[in-house]
Amino acid sequence: LAKTTQPISMDSYEGQEVNITCSHNNIATNDYITWYQQFPSQGPRFIIQGYKTKVTNEVASLFIPADRKSSTLSLPRVSLSDTAVYYCLVGDPMDTGRRALTFGSGTRLQVQP
Amino acid sequence: EPEVTQTPSHQVTQMGQEVILRCVPISNHLYFYWYRQILGQKVEFLVSFYNNEISEKSEIFDDQFSVERPDGSNFTLKIRSTKLEDSAMYFCASIPGQGATGELFFGEGSRLTVL
Repeated sequence: LAKTTQPISMDSYEGQEVNITCSHNNIATNDYITWYQQFPSQGPRFIIQGYKTKVTNEVASLFIPADRKSSTLSLPRVSLSDTAVYYCLVGDPMDTGRRALTFGSGTRLQVQP
Repeated sequence: EPEVTQTPSHQVTQMGQEVILRCVPISNHLYFYWYRQILGQKVEFLVSFYNNEISEKSEIFDDQFSVERPDGSNFTLKIRSTKLEDSAMYFCASIPGQGATGELFFGEGSRLTVL
């Protein structure tokens, strides 16, 4: 399984755009990139998933360059409630039923007023 | 919206006691997982389960741990003889099936405190 590397922590202010980058140099051809959000004492929650280029939903955007060795989660206009830990995972959706999805250390985002 | 439910939300036990943590995955999901998270640390994979058998397990999931799907709805994690270091949040998760997005649906967790 591809190993991921993320910054340990980031700080931002309300209303700013936050970009969190994840490195996954040994991503496999069939792997997708998925981001989860976790609040204290809660289970992780799916945010967004992509394979290449750009994906956008109502919560975030995910940018994936052509070589797919990294990805960037973009949170537009963050609020205090976006303070959480963000995890980048890499894996093959066709394989996840059999194999573990492994969480890295995640990025702790702190949003200040 | 369907959700994964876990019970109990918090359990306190004495070292050496057996603990059973229960999960009800989303009804049409086929793959089930247990993860744990020691306070302040990352989410760690324990075990995956499909078709009534373990698909994969981590080094953490030793002989003290077992999983079971006794009745087609509940998915349980048993710790036979708890140790202090088993104190953690335990999360159950499920996936609809292969070929889906692979999105893990997590429960709210069971906090285990071993004294």
